[in-house]
Amino acid sequence: DIQMTQSPFSLSASVGDRVTITCRASQSINNYLNWYQQKPGKAPKLLVYAASSLQSGVPSRFIGSGSGTDFILTISSVQPEDFATYYCQQSYITPLTFGGGTKVEIK
Amino acid sequence: QVQLQESGPGLVKPSGTLSLTCAVSGGSISSSNWWSWVRQPPGKGLEWIGEIHHSGTTNYNPSLESRVTISVDKSKNQISLRLSSVTAADTAIYSCATLYGDDYWGQGTLVTVSS
Repeated sequence: DIQMTQSPFSLSASVGDRVTITCRASQSINNYLNWYQQKPGKAPKLLVYAASSLQSGVPSRFIGSGSGTDFILTISSVQPEDFATYYCQQSYITPLTFGGGTKVEIK
Repeated sequence: QVQLQESGPGLVKPSGTLSLTCAVSGGSISSSNWWSWVRQPPGKGLEWIGEIHHSGTTNYNPSLESRVTISVDKSKNQISLRLSSVTAADTAIYSCATLYGDDYWGQGTLVTVSS
């Protein structure tokens, strides 16, 4: 199985801050990497697919980058509605696997 | 706009079988190639259970494979999940979703394993 390791586990940020979340795969997954945002009691929402393609309707402050084993989700200027938990997920090979999640909290 | 809706019992006894259905509306189940089941224990992360192609081909998580069956009914536009020999560790929110870059998720249904 491909292990997906996210860091940090959690972070605190102020509105307007630049936030960076890292996801590392245990082997190369090319660009088969999705990023999701999940708010309490809600289903995950796809933000970025294929490592860097922004899902329709998602604000441009969400930026995905990387390929191979190392990936980054950047929120260029975090807004109040962005405080949530973020997950990466590889779709390169089954079993599909998720990172452990990064909780973004208000400072 | 494709929508997914999970349904099934919210309480299952230990050693019993969990059975859930995911109804696809607003589009054909053939509109996406692979349909997955994902679960999330309360307060924890996401775990992929398995997937089914609209042709009926399946892939399962090896950690659950011996207990899982996923099926598709194209006439009803729905997929189903069966998980046998459940224990308290199977208590989770179960969701159907597509995970290959399209964004279809059900709202999930909480299944509690308890006597």
